[in-house]
Amino acid sequence: DVKVTQSSRYLVKRTGEKVFLECVQDMDHENMFWYRQDPGLGLRLIYFSYDVKMKEKGDIPEGYSVSREKKERFSLILESASTNQTSMYLCASSLLYGYTFGSGTRLTVV
Amino acid sequence: SQQGEEDPQALSIQEGENATMNCSYKTSINNLQWYRQNSGRGLVHLILIRSNEREKHSGRLRVTLDTSKKSSSLLITASRAADTASYFCATAVNQAGTALIFGKGTTLSVSS
Repeated sequence: DVKVTQSSRYLVKRTGEKVFLECVQDMDHENMFWYRQDPGLGLRLIYFSYDVKMKEKGDIPEGYSVSREKKERFSLILESASTNQTSMYLCASSLLYGYTFGSGTRLTVV
Repeated sequence: SQQGEEDPQALSIQEGENATMNCSYKTSINNLQWYRQNSGRGLVHLILIRSNEREKHSGRLRVTLDTSKKSSSLLITASRAADTASYFCATAVNQAGTALIFGKGTTLSVSS
């Protein structure tokens, strides 16, 4: 089975900190995605990537950046964390259709 | 960007009953997918239906797609308590059909 691993299950960071959320997949998938999930808003696409060093903006890229230096790893970066970035962050990967999701990182910014 | 919208937002049924969830979307699609999420966890892919398909089955799941109405439904037959979860439809926003936009989900509670 494909596995998507997010490095932290829970994370607490201070306002203004630079935050790195890591995601690794083990099945050579081309596509990787970052979403955030908030009550009442569902999942919203932040960034996605089709290949190493490739990235595309999703619906809500402001305040975030991404890095994909290796095919298996897709990092989400909060340049200067703010309290409105407190959320559940979900990483996913896919070969073509059908995503495999990680278990999520619940980030709290205080 | 296009987005699926599920209906109802919440659904409570008894074990053994069928559960039906609906999804409407705004623009033409390459495919529509349904996912399930147990509380506080990642989503799990359930089923994909392509735009040229009208119905698809997988175990106790039945998905229909009506492209003229831009709607889909997910039917779970003979529900079990373990089916308690949130269910999301997702449609692709790019030409390749790979970048998904999710709806807000239907929360299903199945009581025994």
